[in-house]
Amino acid sequence: LAKTTQPISMDSYEGQEVNITCSHNNIATNDYITWYQQFPSQGPRFIIQGYKTKVTNEVASLFIPADRKSSTLSLPRVSLSDTAVYYCLVGDPGGSQGNLIFGKGTKLSVKP
Amino acid sequence: DTEVTQTPKHLVMGMTNKKSLKCEQHMGHRAMYWYKQKAKKPPELMFVYSYEKLSINESVPSRFSPECPNSSLLNLHLHALQPEDSALYLCASSPTTDRVTYGYTFGSGTRLTVV
Repeated sequence: LAKTTQPISMDSYEGQEVNITCSHNNIATNDYITWYQQFPSQGPRFIIQGYKTKVTNEVASLFIPADRKSSTLSLPRVSLSDTAVYYCLVGDPGGSQGNLIFGKGTKLSVKP
Repeated sequence: DTEVTQTPKHLVMGMTNKKSLKCEQHMGHRAMYWYKQKAKKPPELMFVYSYEKLSINESVPSRFSPECPNSSLLNLHLHALQPEDSALYLCASSPTTDRVTYGYTFGSGTRLTVV
């Protein structure tokens, strides 16, 4: 399973766009990139998943360059309620272990 | 129903007690997972069940005993735990272990304190 590296923490202000980058230099051909959000004392919540280029949903966008060695989660116009830990996972959803291993995560603090 | 329900939400137990954590989902998922999460750390995988059979055991001590009685229910039986086992225990599910394209669905967890 590919190892991921993320910033430990980030600060932002309400209304700003936040970009969190994840490095995954040894990503394999079949691996997808998945991001989760976790609030204190709650289970992680799926945000977005992608394989290449750009994926967008109602919550976030995920940008993946051609070499796929990194990815960037973009949260538009964050609010105080976006304060959470964000995890990047890399793995093969068609493999026997899916995307099961969490990295250290990025703690995002949004200030008023 | 698109939720994973875990009970109890909080549990305090002594080191000689026997207790069980329960996890339930009614999404028709055939893969279920137990994770352990210590404070300020990422979730750590403990067990994976696929079609009610244990498929992965991440070298978890025998004082943790998982059980999957049916496709909707996952239990974690606890016995002779240590204070360092205090953590948030998370249950998750997915359609199968090889179809997780849209991620895992996690429960809210059981906060376990061993005294």
